[in-house]
Amino acid sequence: NAGVTQTPKFQVLKTGQSMTLQCAQDMNHEYMSWYRQDPGMGLRLIHYSVGAGITDQGEVPNGYNVSRSTTEDFPLRLLSAAPSQTSVYFCASSLSYLNTEAFFGQGTRLTVV
Amino acid sequence: GQQVMQIPQYQHVQEGEDFTTYCNSSTTLSNIQWYKQRPGGHPVFLIQLVKSGEVKKQKRLTFQFGEAKKNSSLHITATQTTDVGTYFCAGDNYGQNFVFGPGTRLSVLP
Repeated sequence: NAGVTQTPKFQVLKTGQSMTLQCAQDMNHEYMSWYRQDPGMGLRLIHYSVGAGITDQGEVPNGYNVSRSTTEDFPLRLLSAAPSQTSVYFCASSLSYLNTEAFFGQGTRLTVV
Repeated sequence: GQQVMQIPQYQHVQEGEDFTTYCNSSTTLSNIQWYKQRPGGHPVFLIQLVKSGEVKKQKRLTFQFGEAKKNSSLHITATQTTDVGTYFCAGDNYGQNFVFGPGTRLSVLP
């Protein structure tokens, strides 16, 4: 089982550039989410989706867009990268929101210069 | 909004010593999850606690959920070098998302 697959693993962007972080899961999970992890701050929720066609904002959504056209894929778009978006990004999925464990991807380490 | 805190932020122990991390929420939780993240890795689910006062054990790990469902703890007995990593709690306050604590980073000296 591939589980949750994130690409790329590493990325360097210049300020103002845009890019898409890819996330795909093969477990037929309804719930998918994006987190960013910064030193000493744990994981902060950016956006989440409870199913195809449904997305909502998390704790730190500014500067990011998401869409969920299929159950499998949940891409995260950085519209105009800023140095404050330098972070490690994790995608996660779970069978449903309630009472189920989250499976995390390997992460994308993003540096904005 | 909901806040989840963890203490300590860092813990250094000698191999064989016990370790405990505490998680406290500013609001009552419907359930709480614990994750472990090895250095350079991704969070991996350990357990979920749902009931008030619940205690669950996984080998050398003991998890507790407080009676008021606002706090939780993870205790590791006789730490091993394989226990190294950061332990996160994540609390759900009856909303649609879990809020993660900042984590406790455990280092184990052989």
